[in-house]
Amino acid sequence: GNSVTQMEGPVTLSEEAFLTINCTYTATGYPSLFWYVQYPGEGLQLLLKATKADDKGSNKGFEATYRKETTSFHLEKGSVQVSDSAVYFCALVGGADGLTFGKGTHLIIQP
Amino acid sequence: DTAVSQTPKYLVTQMGNDKSIKCEQNLGHDTMYWYKQDSKKFLKIMFSYNNKELIINETVPNRFSPKSPDKAHLNLHINSLELGDSAVYFCASSQGQGQGTEAFFGQGTRLTVV
Repeated sequence: GNSVTQMEGPVTLSEEAFLTINCTYTATGYPSLFWYVQYPGEGLQLLLKATKADDKGSNKGFEATYRKETTSFHLEKGSVQVSDSAVYFCALVGGADGLTFGKGTHLIIQP
Repeated sequence: DTAVSQTPKYLVTQMGNDKSIKCEQNLGHDTMYWYKQDSKKFLKIMFSYNNKELIINETVPNRFSPKSPDKAHLNLHINSLELGDSAVYFCASSQGQGQGTEAFFGQGTRLTVV
């Protein structure tokens, strides 16, 4: 079946630092890739997505590029803010497995 | 308008009780899901329904029974609650499960079994 592996946290950064959260996947065919964000006490929200190789998803200053050769979809942001503190989930849709999530990365941004 | 709404938001109950969590979506989607999130934030799919038909049923105890009276609703009934059932349960919906399909999540129901 499909699987998603992402770096485990917590990841603690200072405000304005550069952020990378690694995500790699295993899937048959050509899955769609997603990053979801979960703010404290809330449900998951879609942050960005990419549906084919070399696509770049972007939103709120976050970016991720669909790299089929390395089966990766790393999340990046050039300058993080305290309000970015949340849990970030990498996910994919492919085949009959439906939406498959990674284990989540807890991001803490300190002022 | 809330796209995916689930009730209650908090549920505290004793071991052995039976409880239900309701979920409704007003997005016109044909696929709905239940996920369980444990204390470490791990998300695990429990069930997936497409047009009221069960399409994914992961290995969960048969004490958990989803019920979909129509495409807009997927309720979760839990019998004989156990301490290990304590978690946050999320309902979600999507339009199909194909390429690029985005899932929309409810706010979650925090279940505490004492």
